[in-house]
Amino acid sequence: QKEVEQNSGPLSVPEGAIASLNCTYSDRVSQSFFWYRQYSGKSPELIMSIYSNGDKEDGRFTAQLNKASQYVSLLIRDSQPSDSATYLCAASNDYKLSFGAGTTVTVRA
Amino acid sequence: DTAVSQTPKYLVTQMGNDKSIKCEQNLGHDTMYWYKQDSKKFLKIMFSYNNKELIINETVPNRFSPKSPDKAHLNLHINSLELGDSAVYFCASSVAGPTYEQYFGPGTRLTVT
Repeated sequence: QKEVEQNSGPLSVPEGAIASLNCTYSDRVSQSFFWYRQYSGKSPELIMSIYSNGDKEDGRFTAQLNKASQYVSLLIRDSQPSDSATYLCAASNDYKLSFGAGTTVTVRA
Repeated sequence: DTAVSQTPKYLVTQMGNDKSIKCEQNLGHDTMYWYKQDSKKFLKIMFSYNNKELIINETVPNRFSPKSPDKAHLNLHINSLELGDSAVYFCASSVAGPTYEQYFGPGTRLTVT
């Protein structure tokens, strides 16, 4: 079983819509959860961190964490063509960060 | 003002050669990491150093040897390169707790022919 699993995608959404990304993790002792955005040919860029149950909002991004269900999600509101990228979910236990395989999002103009 | 930098950006070499990749961070972080991203884009931890001490050593062939001369630098030396070593190698850094947010360098694309 993979440590972090994401909905495989690809996900195509029209401009202005909400993109919804999901992630589950298997290690119950994971403490911190992250969403990274990776444009093609570029490095992963940290866009959201979440550490406690509930929602965390930052601009057009909302991360949700449910530790009981071992579930993390990311909502991108008012999707823009510039949001087209691969989104990586990651879970950490201290130093070790485990990544999912990523979900590729395409925002159609 | 680059936070995490890597050199070189591209590396093309032949099988059997030995090569090194260098990483430097100016974020004042205590911990540095090496990741490998393969052709399927899966990102996997290889090594981590905290204040020059090796703390993560995943199942990596011993042809790969990391070295951290100080907490701002982490190098990766690869001996006897193989075709399967072709990938993008990312360096990252973080503070040592409590959140361990990791910031990535631009990557080094290694191609072994």
